[in-house]
Amino acid sequence: QKEVEQNSGPLSVPEGAIASLNCTYSDRGSQSFFWYRQYSGKSPELIMFIYSNGDKEDGRFTAQLNKASQYVSLLIRDSQPSDSATYLCAVPYSGGGADGLTFGKGTHLIIQP
Amino acid sequence: DTGVSQDPRHKITKRGQNVTFRCDPISEHNRLYWYRQTLGQGPEFLTYFQNEAQLEKSRLLSDRFSAERPKGSFSTLEIQRTEQGDSAMYLCASSSWDGYGYTFGSGTRLTVV
Repeated sequence: QKEVEQNSGPLSVPEGAIASLNCTYSDRGSQSFFWYRQYSGKSPELIMFIYSNGDKEDGRFTAQLNKASQYVSLLIRDSQPSDSATYLCAVPYSGGGADGLTFGKGTHLIIQP
Repeated sequence: DTGVSQDPRHKITKRGQNVTFRCDPISEHNRLYWYRQTLGQGPEFLTYFQNEAQLEKSRLLSDRFSAERPKGSFSTLEIQRTEQGDSAMYLCASSSWDGYGYTFGSGTRLTVV
């Protein structure tokens, strides 16, 4: 079974700094990778996905993928208190991302004002 | 577009009883997914539908769980002979054909007493 590993945290970052969230995955064949944000008591919401090695930027968020190291990360620049949430990394459950996802346990991020 | 709707929001049931949850996806989404999430864990994939066809089912899913999506619109998830270990948040999500635009519903929180 595919595994996705994340440090559960909490990860505490001062406001305005860069938050770095990391994820490793077990299946070398995984082709796409997803980052979700989940506020306490709410459902997950998609932040971004990446499927090519390198960086993908979207506003204050940057996803970084290194398939050789089976490592994907999420950087949040200019961190805001509203970024405090649990961040979930996910890979496709079996085939492509359309077939369902395997999630990690998530990293709890706290942005300190 | 009102998003993904789930009903009920909360359900308390006695051990051994059957429960059924309903999910109404975003109307133009043909893919529908069920996940289960417990405290401190990421969502766990249960099953998914493309239109009315159930295409994938988690190997971890007990035979007490069954899901349907008649006519490719709303879906139901039934749990028979509930156990205390079934207590969790049950999340439904839908997406378009490529699976990259997941939208989760607010979930149904099940408590088995």
